[in-house]
Amino acid sequence: DTEVTQTPKHLVMGMTNKKSLKCEQHMGHRAMYWYKQKAKKPPELMFVYSYEKLSINESVPSRFSPECPNSSLLNLHLHALQPEDSALYLCASSADREVGGYEQYFGPGTRLTVT
Amino acid sequence: GENVEQHPSTLSVQEGDSAVIKCTYSDSASNYFPWYKQELGKRPQLIIDIRSNVGEKKDQRIAVTLNKTAKHFSLHITETQPEDSAVYFCAASAPPILGGYNKLIFGAGTRLAVHP
Repeated sequence: DTEVTQTPKHLVMGMTNKKSLKCEQHMGHRAMYWYKQKAKKPPELMFVYSYEKLSINESVPSRFSPECPNSSLLNLHLHALQPEDSALYLCASSADREVGGYEQYFGPGTRLTVT
Repeated sequence: GENVEQHPSTLSVQEGDSAVIKCTYSDSASNYFPWYKQELGKRPQLIIDIRSNVGEKKDQRIAVTLNKTAKHFSLHITETQPEDSAVYFCAASAPPILGGYNKLIFGAGTRLAVHP
């Protein structure tokens, strides 16, 4: 099973709202990622968790707050977003690279619209 | 840091023809090179990848070649079909200094259109 799931599929939120995106994988992967993808652009890395610890924050504004409650779950908490934050938010996971895991599998994404 | 350039940005072929997409990378430490296919409104899907200890890898109609000396790698699709129409992204990854994660640097993408 190489499936990563994400909820919700679509989200519309106002600039004063607080919402959360959720990601789940049951492949035993120990690295999980958040990407942002704008139309006609490649995925842009936001955060990386490795063994439930934040390993990379690509200078993402604090209105995006990641959380990794356990090895299977990854959340992205959203607060006071701007219209330019509207995008497809993708979650991905990969096995431990140090033991040979390289492949990164993406979830279906959450289409976020900020009004 | 790593930089990946991808060409062409758009590619239009007739059904049955071959398609080739090329990428170059800058970091000689990169050792993993995946290719993703993304259909409109869908997730990026890993279609093939190659590690730096091999020069070529095939999977049915798709193949990837790697030239470590020149720091470039290519995706080859033979006997193209309309369902191959999508955006294709190449990526490169160097081993992380710490931790088991895999930081991918993506190319800008190639929009492939296969016409019946």
